[in-house]
Amino acid sequence: QKEVEQNSGPLSVPEGAIASLNCTYSDRGSQSFFWYRQYSGKSPELIMSIYSNGDKEDGRFTAQLNKASQYVSLLIRDSQPSDSATYLCAVRLIYGGATNKLIFGTGTLLAVQP
Amino acid sequence: KAGVTQTPRYLIKTRGQQVTLSCSPISGHRSVSWYQQTPGQGLQFLFEYFSETQRNKGNFPGRFSGRQFSNSRSEMNVSTLELGDSALYLCASSLERVDEQFFGPGTRLTVL
Repeated sequence: QKEVEQNSGPLSVPEGAIASLNCTYSDRGSQSFFWYRQYSGKSPELIMSIYSNGDKEDGRFTAQLNKASQYVSLLIRDSQPSDSATYLCAVRLIYGGATNKLIFGTGTLLAVQP
Repeated sequence: KAGVTQTPRYLIKTRGQQVTLSCSPISGHRSVSWYQQTPGQGLQFLFEYFSETQRNKGNFPGRFSGRQFSNSRSEMNVSTLELGDSALYLCASSLERVDEQFFGPGTRLTVL
């Protein structure tokens, strides 16, 4: 089982719709969670971080974390064609003072249709 | 505040050569991590440096090495290049080791 799993997509949504991106992780020691957006040919850009259970909203983006079920999701409201990109989920594992790893999923390709 | 910078942006090398990539973190950031990104494997962690010490290492051969200087700038070196080393090499910095990471633009390495 991969440590961080995402559906590779493509996830196709019409302009103005809500895009829902999901990520599951295997290690209950995971402590912080991040969503990155990566346009083709560019480097990943941090768009959201979430550390505790529940929802965190930032503009059109909402991150949701459920540690009991070991999943984190990203909702994009009023999707725009400019949101078309690959979305990477990243999970930080911390064990004691020695282990501190940031693990990335393989990403979900989102295509917003005009 | 300036973002993470990486040089060079593009490199073409031949098999057997070696290469050094440079990364300057965001001012004040002390942790620098390196990643390799390929279409087939996604983002693969190479190593992390903090306070001039390697804190974590990914599952890459010893041909891949790095270092961090007292000003937090970092370099990575790949010796005896192989065709499979062709990739986008990304550097990311964070304030402390547990904080959000911010990526540089990357260095696109092509090995012929």
